[in-house]
Amino acid sequence: TQLLEQSPQFLSIQEGENLTVYCNSSSVFSSLQWYRQEPGEGPVLLVTVVTGGEVKKLKRLTFQFGDARKDSSLHITAAQPGDTGLYLCAVHPLSGNTPLVFGKGTRLSVIA
Amino acid sequence: DAEITQSPRHKITETGRQVTLACHQTWNHNNMFWYRQDLGHGLRLIHYSYGVQDTNKGEVSDGYSVSRSNTEDLPLTLESAASSQTSVYFCASSDQTGNTIYFGEGSWLTVV
Repeated sequence: TQLLEQSPQFLSIQEGENLTVYCNSSSVFSSLQWYRQEPGEGPVLLVTVVTGGEVKKLKRLTFQFGDARKDSSLHITAAQPGDTGLYLCAVHPLSGNTPLVFGKGTRLSVIA
Repeated sequence: DAEITQSPRHKITETGRQVTLACHQTWNHNNMFWYRQDLGHGLRLIHYSYGVQDTNKGEVSDGYSVSRSNTEDLPLTLESAASSQTSVYFCASSDQTGNTIYFGEGSWLTVV
């Protein structure tokens, strides 16, 4: 059973459209991270959300942590071709300094 | 600037051969990790280390080994390469809080 379920798996949209991707679990986490991975590179941390209901903004990207700290969403406004990539959510499944566990990711393609 | 580097970036090897993938970080991080990334499976943890002489098995450790003789390096060894180990391998490091993890650019390994 996958700890983190990400949806959709694939998303192809036109430049300028808005989109939301999701990261869901039945477990509660103390924090959740979002990464973006571009082709041929390693994942890069975008944001960490910690508090239930927390909303963080990074330019056109809006991240929200669910009130119960079991799920998260990433909303992109007016997507651009530069947003193309694999979006991964990740958590430390146990308290303390434990390795990150990743979802399988949402592969986003923004077409000009 | 601190960084994390992997070598080789691309390698083709034959079934049964021993292969070592190098990972070197200049962040002075205690924590280092090896993940593999495959379509349909996402990023899966192979081995990790919380400091010199410390190594731990991850989710998919069979057929792999690591050693940590200094802070900077965590080489990953495939004892007898198998076709199932064809994958992209990512090394990563983080400080003791584990709050921010930095990934290398990946090593593409093909076992024929």
